[in-house]
Amino acid sequence: NAGVTQTPKFQVLKTGQSMTLQCAQDMNHEYMSWYRQDPGMGLRLIHYSVGAGITDQGEVPNGYNVSRSTTEDFPLRLLSAAPSQTSVYFCASQTGVLYEQYFGPGTRLTVT
Amino acid sequence: AQSVTQLDSHVSVSEGTPVLLRCNYSSSYSPSLFWYVQHPNKGLQLLLKYTSAATLVKGINGFEAEFKKSETSFHLTKPSAHMSDAAEYFCVVRAKGNTPLVFGKGTRLSVIA
Repeated sequence: NAGVTQTPKFQVLKTGQSMTLQCAQDMNHEYMSWYRQDPGMGLRLIHYSVGAGITDQGEVPNGYNVSRSTTEDFPLRLLSAAPSQTSVYFCASQTGVLYEQYFGPGTRLTVT
Repeated sequence: AQSVTQLDSHVSVSEGTPVLLRCNYSSSYSPSLFWYVQHPNKGLQLLLKYTSAATLVKGINGFEAEFKKSETSFHLTKPSAHMSDAAEYFCVVRAKGNTPLVFGKGTRLSVIA
């Protein structure tokens, strides 16, 4: 049982490039979320999903796209990277609305 | 709308002394509340959670928190700090239903030998 896994761990992009951050969980959790963490800002929700085929926007969705074709996977796409997207990105999953989230180890992204 | 305020951005304590990390919340509904810990360059780990059962919640590593509805607070405490407690701590709230978690901005705990 690997829990929540994220790839890559580190990534450097140039402005305007696109990429996909991968997130997978093997706990059969319905809920999955993407957050970004910036110094002094805590974690801010980008997008979330309450089940396969269902996604919704969080607090800071602009510049990001998600899809949820399977229960296990929830990739986050950066459409055209900008320096303001330099951050640490965390994926999380949970079994139900009242339960705690399990977090992946994070992806540190730098956009130059 | 729901929100959470962590009253201190940085707390410094000596090893062996008590820890108090303060958190106030705002929620239109009876909330679920969580404390998470993040050690340097690591992911987040759940310390404890309150989901409308006992108001005094015990977590891992000797931490506990008390839900006080009248004060809209959920402060985190530990009787005796250990060097390994040095980390960032996040207070988190969720209102009823499918609403996502809302994170506080975090409190950095330093433990001095």
